[in-house]
Amino acid sequence: DTGVSQDPRHKITKRGQNVTFRCDPISEHNRLYWYRQTLGQGPEFLTYFQNEAQLEKSRLLSDRFSAERPKGSFSTLEIQRTEQGDSAMYLCASSLDDYGYTFGSGTRLTVV
Amino acid sequence: GNSVTQMEGPVTLSEEAFLTINCTYTATGYPSLFWYVQYPGEGLQLLLKATKADDKGSNKGFEATYRKETTSFHLEKGSVQVSDSAVYFCALSGAGTSYGKLTFGQGTILTVHP
Repeated sequence: DTGVSQDPRHKITKRGQNVTFRCDPISEHNRLYWYRQTLGQGPEFLTYFQNEAQLEKSRLLSDRFSAERPKGSFSTLEIQRTEQGDSAMYLCASSLDDYGYTFGSGTRLTVV
Repeated sequence: GNSVTQMEGPVTLSEEAFLTINCTYTATGYPSLFWYVQYPGEGLQLLLKATKADDKGSNKGFEATYRKETTSFHLEKGSVQVSDSAVYFCALSGAGTSYGKLTFGQGTILTVHP
């Protein structure tokens, strides 16, 4: 088991472009979470999947953001029409229960 | 809503000094409390946790006690090492949710000098 993998590690995009990030959780984990972390702040919750079902979305997740987890395995987070305010580290985590989170190393997005 | 407030950083210490990073929280019900650590270029790692009042979480020489009366979960270590230099995050979950969603503090940068 190699832990939670996120791809890419870094992404630089021009304002207005669409970007997609991928997260591969630990295979037996049925819960998957996305968080966003800006410089000098703690991670903020974006969305949560239980298997393939998206059960909660934060108000931070505007209609330009969409997340999927087809077949309850990997997940993608897409941002459409990126804005400079979207620049942040996007973290994925997976777990089996309330306590055993494993975080990925994150995807750092820079919008120029 | 739930919130976590951490002591402002950065914190700079000499090796073998005593460390305290303060953390207080606001939550309904009975949350679980966590300390996570983030080393440069790496993902967040769970350092320790406590799931009910008066529990003490401990790991790698770090300790924190869940104090319901003061709504606090302060992190302590008796003798820090250079390798402890990292960002430390206090977090809570479970208050009003059923699936482990985490609410984090803003993080405290710790730098330990030889």
